Amino acid sequence: NAGVTQTPKFQVLKTGQSMTLQCAQDMNHEYMSWYRQDPGMGLRLIHYSVGAGITDQGEVPNGYNVSRSTTEDFPLRLLSAAPSQTSVYFCASSLRQGSLPTNTGELFFGEGSRLTVL
Amino acid sequence: GNSVTQMEGPVTLSEEAFLTINCTYTATGYPSLFWYVQYPGEGLQLLLKATKADDKGSNKGFEATYRKETTSFHLEKGSVQVSDSAVYFCALSDRSGYNKLIFGAGTRLAVHP
Repeated sequence: NAGVTQTPKFQVLKTGQSMTLQCAQDMNHEYMSWYRQDPGMGLRLIHYSVGAGITDQGEVPNGYNVSRSTTEDFPLRLLSAAPSQTSVYFCASSLRQGSLPTNTGELFFGEGSRLTVL
Repeated sequence: GNSVTQMEGPVTLSEEAFLTINCTYTATGYPSLFWYVQYPGEGLQLLLKATKADDKGSNKGFEATYRKETTSFHLEKGSVQVSDSAVYFCALSDRSGYNKLIFGAGTRLAVHP
């Protein structure tokens, strides 16, 4: 069972470079989201999607773009990386709350992608 | 806006000690409350949850009770083990239909033999 898969696990960028963090889930979850984790600040929501073709901003969206062309994939794009974007990024997915009797409302997380911007 | 406040860590305990990690929240309406755990080098995984006032979530010996009157959801365990060493996150969901969780800053727990 793959669950939520993120790539790459580690990446070093120079200021101004662009890159895409990949996220894929094989659980047919409607909801997908991206968080960043910084020391002392917990996890902060960057962008989320409630289904293919639908995305919205979270708490800290500036500097990031997303798209959701399929149910399975939710890539996060950094168009011009900045040192302030050095962080650990987590992708997460879930079913819609209440969509199934057994749905606990649980978010399923990937293992994270550690990004360093020099 | 909605927010979650956790006690600062790290928390350092000896094996078999009693654990409490405090969590309080600010929210409109009636959020669902969660505790997630992150083991070293891994993503977060759900530890327990509660969806309404006075509910008690429990799992792996951990417990937390949804206290609406004190807006709290403190995590407790009667006897910790070395394997419980991890970072613990309190979180809330605003019942929008999707799990757009708001997390606390996390509390690191270190348990020594």
